[in-house]
Amino acid sequence: KAGVTQTPRYLIKTRGQQVTLSCSPISGHRSVSWYQQTPGQGLQFLFEYFSETQRNKGNFPGRFSGRQFSNSRSEMNVSTLELGDSALYLCASSLAPGSYNEQFFGPGTRLTVL
Amino acid sequence: QQQVKQSPQSLIVQKGGIPIINCAYENTAFDYFPWYQQFPGKGPALLIAIRPDVSEKKEGRFTISFNKSAKQFSLHIMDSQPGDSATYFCAARDGGSRLTFGEGTQLTVNP
Repeated sequence: KAGVTQTPRYLIKTRGQQVTLSCSPISGHRSVSWYQQTPGQGLQFLFEYFSETQRNKGNFPGRFSGRQFSNSRSEMNVSTLELGDSALYLCASSLAPGSYNEQFFGPGTRLTVL
Repeated sequence: QQQVKQSPQSLIVQKGGIPIINCAYENTAFDYFPWYQQFPGKGPALLIAIRPDVSEKKEGRFTISFNKSAKQFSLHIMDSQPGDSATYFCAARDGGSRLTFGEGTQLTVNP
């Protein structure tokens, strides 16, 4: 069974631009969560989607948004990019929401903002 | 507010040694505690996880010890190998899917 895939793997943008990242969960997984990983802040939760609905959102500004499609694929968008948005963005999928459903991470998208 | 504190930040052991990584949490609503291993350029990979009604769980060379009253849990890696050199993260979940991570421990296992 294929793992979580994320595209693109690397992205370079300039301040003020916007970016869209894509995540395809493991087949059969319907819950998708997004995390931001930086050296300074570590791994931080962005948001979670299940059945095309956002179930939970982390403490990030409104410039960060996401959505989920009927096939469980998810996208996240960052508008008006800032230098501090440079990070590894990770997507994780699980069968469904809930503590005992294991989450599996993709390889991430490395975003660099110049 | 950091709700899961992890130590040490870095750890160097010799091959065959038993590195121990510790985590402490504050939120008593946490009810699932996974450990992840991350290699450079890769996403975190689930190693082992424990629920608070269990005091110890072993999978292969990896063991989690859990102390509910102290709100602490730890990862032990038996017979460590150079291939175990990676960054390890503890995490906790509170009933939903949101993971709260520790700061990470960079483990180096020397040959």
